[in-house]
Amino acid sequence: GAGVSQSPSNKVTEKGKDVELRCDPISGHTALYWYRQRLGQGLEFLIYFQGNSAPDKSGLPSDRFSAERTGESVSTLTIQRTQQEDSAVYLCASSLKSGGAGEQYFGPGTRLTVT
Amino acid sequence: AQSVTQPDIHITVSEGASLELRCNYSYGATPYLFWYVQSPGQGLQLLLKYFSGDTLVQGIKGFEAEFKRSQSSFNLRKPSVHWSDAAEYFCAVGAEGGTYKYIFGTGTRLKVLA
Repeated sequence: GAGVSQSPSNKVTEKGKDVELRCDPISGHTALYWYRQRLGQGLEFLIYFQGNSAPDKSGLPSDRFSAERTGESVSTLTIQRTQQEDSAVYLCASSLKSGGAGEQYFGPGTRLTVT
Repeated sequence: AQSVTQPDIHITVSEGASLELRCNYSYGATPYLFWYVQSPGQGLQLLLKYFSGDTLVQGIKGFEAEFKRSQSSFNLRKPSVHWSDAAEYFCAVGAEGGTYKYIFGTGTRLKVLA
C-alpha cells in the first residue's frame, strides 16, 4: 500500500483480556515505531525496530506490553491483561532510515478502549 | 532531558486570519525539529522539518516555521488560515546523532471560525 496501515481501527475490550494490534509499514522502510497517545497528551514512544537489530523496548510501560516484527514487514503490539489505563490511541510509524533525520510516516492508529 | 512545550492547548482563529503556534524545546545539542498535523481520525502528517541551514523552513499547505536557537523555539506560522486547517498540531524534536525517539509536545488544537 501507499502508506502505513493499522488494524483494527477501533478495539473495545474488557479489562483483563489480551489484545493484539497490527501495523503494516511502508514497503522498504527498515525502521518501525510504536507510540501511545493518551487523550489530551502527546505521543509516548513505546518501541523501535530497525532491520534485524534487537528492538529498543525502553518505552514499554510494563511487562504486559510486547511487540514483534518479522524482518522488515508487519509488526504486532500485544497487550496482555489489559487495564483501563491502557485505553489510548496506538500509533505506528515507519521510516526509510533510522536516526533523527529519518522522517517518520504515521498510520491512522488503533483506538483501544478498555471497559 | 529533552522536552518539548506547546504552551497553547487550544487556539481559535477566524478564516483568513494569520496563525502562529508556539513550540519551545529543551535539548543540549543541535535538534532536529518537526511539525506534524493530525486531522480527526487520521494519522500524523509531516508539515515541515528543520535539520540545519536556513532557519526559515517552508512546508506543505502554506505553512512555515522559524528556528530560533537563542529562544529555543520553532514556531509554526501561516499567513491566512483556511477552514480545512482545523486540526491538532504537534511539535517534535529528534536528536542529532541517530536517536530515533522523537519527543512530542502535547499538541495545540486549532479551531477555525467561518
